[in-house]
Amino acid sequence: ILNVEQSPQSLHVQEGDSTNFTCSFPSSNFYALHWYRWETAKSPEALFVMTLNGDEKKKGRISATLNTKEGYSYLYIKGSQPEDSATYLCAFHPSGTYKYIFGTGTRLKVLA
Amino acid sequence: EAQVTQNPRYLITVTGKKLTVTCSQNMNHEYMSWYRQDPGLGLRQIYYSMNVEVTDKGDVPEGYKVSRKEKRNFPLILESPSPNQTSLYFCASSLGVEDYGYTFGSGTRLTVV
Repeated sequence: ILNVEQSPQSLHVQEGDSTNFTCSFPSSNFYALHWYRWETAKSPEALFVMTLNGDEKKKGRISATLNTKEGYSYLYIKGSQPEDSATYLCAFHPSGTYKYIFGTGTRLKVLA
Repeated sequence: EAQVTQNPRYLITVTGKKLTVTCSQNMNHEYMSWYRQDPGLGLRQIYYSMNVEVTDKGDVPEGYKVSRKEKRNFPLILESPSPNQTSLYFCASSLGVEDYGYTFGSGTRLTVV
């Protein structure tokens, strides 16, 4: 069974703080890693799709890096705002399959 | 507006009464999938479809059926629902199975009593 782990499970930060969290996945048979943002009472929304070792992607104040050799990805939020409060999910896509395996998410709360 | 539409949003039903949750996308996406979300667990894949008439089991397919007769629709069928199928269900689609992210539907909260 392939395991995708996210840490921490939850996080409270003050407005203006920068923060980061981790997604760990099997380093063998990697194909792609996705990051999603999931606000309460809404549906998950795609942030990034990462496929190459060393990839770094950015969208506004949010960025992500990928290390496929050691099996982890970091998501960074610079200068957190209350509207960044959400659960951040990663999903691992193994090569040779059409499946996606989601982590349980990191729940971020940004305090004003 | 590009979207994935799921219906119903909420459903309470009784054990054994067949039900269908509909899912439709208007983006001409090839890949569609169903997930369930339970407390403390990540989204778990029930079934997926790579294209019309091509479907396969995810990690938790027991008790569910799907069909993909048209590209836009991917209904989830519970032939004989049981209380352990009480969950939040999401339909999702993507342009392909390669490096495209999912677009998710708004979710269906199902309670089986």
